[in-house]
Amino acid sequence: NAGVTQTPKFRVLKTGQSMTLLCAQDMNHEYMYWYRQDPGMGLRLIHYSVGEGTTAKGEVPDGYNVSRLKKQNFLLGLESAAPSQTSVYFCASTSHLMNTEAFFGQGTRLTVV
Amino acid sequence: AQRVTQPEKLLSVFKGAPVELKCNYSYSGSPELFWYVQYSRQRLQLLLRHISRESIKGFTADLNKGETSFHLKKPFAQEEDSAMYYCALRMNRDDKIIFGKGTRLHILP
Repeated sequence: NAGVTQTPKFRVLKTGQSMTLLCAQDMNHEYMYWYRQDPGMGLRLIHYSVGEGTTAKGEVPDGYNVSRLKKQNFLLGLESAAPSQTSVYFCASTSHLMNTEAFFGQGTRLTVV
Repeated sequence: AQRVTQPEKLLSVFKGAPVELKCNYSYSGSPELFWYVQYSRQRLQLLLRHISRESIKGFTADLNKGETSFHLKKPFAQEEDSAMYYCALRMNRDDKIIFGKGTRLHILP
C-alpha cells in the first residue's frame, strides 16, 4: 500500500519547456489536489478534482493544466515553464465518503532556469 | 473570501515551555479544521483534526467558532517538535482544502 506517489521527485526545466507531473494514489480516494509550496507562502492550491473526469481551479491555476482520466491518477501539466514556477509541488488525496484527512505525496522539486 | 491566517512565520520556544501556534480562519459555511506537520524534508502528515478532539504527541486544538480560531497548543515543548506546522480548512461547499502560510516551530535546548 504505497499511498500517494509523485513522479518525478526532482526535475530541472529550461524556460519554455513543458512537462507533466504524475500523482498516483491507491486508496480509492475520490478527491485529489495539487499544491505548490513556496517559502513564506505556505501551500497554495493550484487545481483539484472531485472525481474522475472532473477538475476545478484553485487559488493559483494560471500556467497549469490538469487531467483526471482515471480515478487513481491526477496529472499536472506545465505547457511553457517559467522561472516563477520553480517550486515544490505536492499532490494530496482524500475521501469525503470515508471522511479521511488528506494524504500527501512526497513532493516534486521543480527548478525552471 | 475564504482564508486561513497563521500570524507567526517563526516561533522559537525553549524546551519544556508551553507552545501555542495560532490559526484563524474566514469561512461562512461549516468549516472543518486540521493541523498538519512537516518535518524536515518529509511529506506533510496529519497532526490533528477538530472533529476527532484527540491529543496527538501532546498537542491539542479546540475549534472556537465565535473567534473563528483553531489554535494548536502543547504544555511542554520537546526538541522533536521542531517542524513546520500548517493549519488547513476544508470547505464543505466546494470541497477545497486551503492552507495557511505555515509556522516554523523551533525548540531551543
